[in-house]
Amino acid sequence: GAGVSQSPRYKVAKRGQDVALRCDPISGHVSLFWYQQALGQGPEFLTYFQNEAQLDKSGLPSDRFFAERPEGSVSTLKIQRTQQEDSAVYLCASSFLQGNTEAFFGQGTRLTVV
Amino acid sequence: AQKVTQAQTEISVVEKEDVTLDCVYETRDTTYYLFWYKQPPSGELVFLIRRNSFDEQNEISGRYSWNFQKSTSSFNFTITASQVVDSAVYFCALRWGNNNDMRFGAGTRLTVKP
Repeated sequence: GAGVSQSPRYKVAKRGQDVALRCDPISGHVSLFWYQQALGQGPEFLTYFQNEAQLDKSGLPSDRFFAERPEGSVSTLKIQRTQQEDSAVYLCASSFLQGNTEAFFGQGTRLTVV
Repeated sequence: AQKVTQAQTEISVVEKEDVTLDCVYETRDTTYYLFWYKQPPSGELVFLIRRNSFDEQNEISGRYSWNFQKSTSSFNFTITASQVVDSAVYFCALRWGNNNDMRFGAGTRLTVKP
């Protein structure tokens, strides 16, 4: 596609519910990143994929967070047993090459846990 | 430690004024990359510029210019003759070595009034 697409744009979940956030990267982009952005803060790194391989998950805040990219294209970020502190905007980004080329971001999914 | 500091939380200017957004970074790596992104109300992070640590040449792109100074660990961004459409949150970011994490500052909210 023309840009990085994320769905849904908005998600309201009851505490304890599982959620799945989807990211469609730019076609042909090898690298895919997930970030979490709390209100009034800069994005914080969660995890990185190179094709289908999850090479870095050092930013995932707990084992309730899980990400996958099984065919090296679409990625899903899953949060189990959501808690109020999970409320944030979740941003996906992709880049053509690994590492230090510029990343292109989607519009994000705003998750509100009530 | 790798860190990006954007000391200006909010800036408000009147249209046609020049404005400079400050960014100070910390890293022990000799190879690193600096970025600026714009986040309009729609939420998507828009890439503006990437600079690597070996290239201190300043850059101008239309009304935008960037001043990279390794001696002061700064990568400041100037908008000349600001316009209402420049209103957004601007983030400075750092990536170092082969690390996949991109460390963002807290952002500066720029409001340009007509």
